[in-house]
Formats: sequence, structure tokens, C-alpha cells
Amino acid sequence: EVQLLESGGGLVQPGGSLRLSCAASGFSFSTYDMNWVRQAPGEGLVWVSSISGSGDNTWYADSVKGRFTISRDNSKNTLYLQMNSLRAEDTAVYYCAKKLIYNWFDPWGQGTLVTVSS
Amino acid sequence: EIVLTQSPVTLSLSPGERATLSCRASQSVASYLAWYQQKPGQAPRLLIYDTSNRATGIPARFSGSGSETDFTLTISSLEPEDFAVYYCQQRRQWPLTFGGGTKVEIK
Repeated sequence: EVQLLESGGGLVQPGGSLRLSCAASGFSFSTYDMNWVRQAPGEGLVWVSSISGSGDNTWYADSVKGRFTISRDNSKNTLYLQMNSLRAEDTAVYYCAKKLIYNWFDPWGQGTLVTVSS
Repeated sequence: EIVLTQSPVTLSLSPGERATLSCRASQSVASYLAWYQQKPGQAPRLLIYDTSNRATGIPARFSGSGSETDFTLTISSLEPEDFAVYYCQQRRQWPLTFGGGTKVEIK
């Protein structure tokens, strides 16, 4: 069974940094692209970033480009999201999701909440 | 950026009724559209991908149709567990985008 377990969320001040992790199991991690999707409280889903299986290719939403960095450690079956220069509008539940065939998200982790506030 | 507009925002129906949800794209996404279901406090779950393909384990009462800019998710007969929020998503071009969601609530 595929399992994705996010961690690293919490309360951070504006301008601060946080690193999210997503521990994967139940599949050949290095074979699949991985993704981060976020959801602000009471709002819809927003794609944040994707990374290829090898880690050689990355993609970002304009809203986080230059501030967030996606990476992965295939030896540890773990996906990361380094978030710098955080803003109040980055407050959200952050989900990691495995890519299904093409750029579809399946399955998703349970999410980790990031709150940016002073 | 491709904008996906979902309608209605809220759909009030009774168990056993048919639900029809719409997703309209600001430009053609060909057949590259998916649907997700999200229940309160849970992560989203993939239902349909590439317009009409059901994901693993998804019941046959869920079906998808459409092309180019207009897409529909149909739930043939609502079960109690189907009351949730549904999102569409396109993969035609970067950035990947989602619709704003349709909430299917119990009437």
C-alpha cells in the first residue's frame, strides 16, 4: 500500500523559513514524479511544485518561485519542500502527492499545516 | 494560465438523486482533465483522470465526460458517502490548475 506522511509544519513568523518532509513507502519512490499541493483554510486546492523521479527537473507555481525549493532524497524515500521568505498568504495545509501516470495526483498524504503569523 | 470554473458552487441533493457537476476551462485542455473528491478533514482523492477514466477502486456510479473546454462529472445515484467537495484539475499546460470546487450537500 502506498503511504505518504508529511511532517515539518508549524507556526512561523513572516519572513521565516520552514522545511517540509514527505516520507514515502509502498512503491518504487525514485520511479515517480512527486508534487506539493496546498490548501489555504476554507479555500480550494493550489498546485505548488513538482519534481521528476531523478530530481533533475523541477516546476514551480509563480507564487512560490524563488522562495520555495523542492527536492528529494531517493535513498531515504523522502520528498522535501524548503520554504523561505514565508508570507501570510502561504498559510495552508501542504499535501504531498504521488504522480499517477501523467500529471495526476494519486494518492495524497494527510497534509501538514503551515501557519505564517506574527 | 488555464482557469477552471466549476459550477454550481453548491449542489443540494438527496441520496439516490443524480448529480451533475460542471467544469469549464478558459482554453482547450483537450482530454487532460481530472476530478477529485475531498471530504472534511481529509486529503483529496482522485476519482477520474483524462476526462473519463475511473481511478482504482472508484465505483461505477462516478463517470466523467467532455472535451476541450467543457467537462462533466456525473454521480448516477448519490450515496451518503458522496456528499463532499469535488475539484477538477487540468494537466494540459503548466502551471497545473484546479477549479474552485463544487460542494455537494444533503438537501
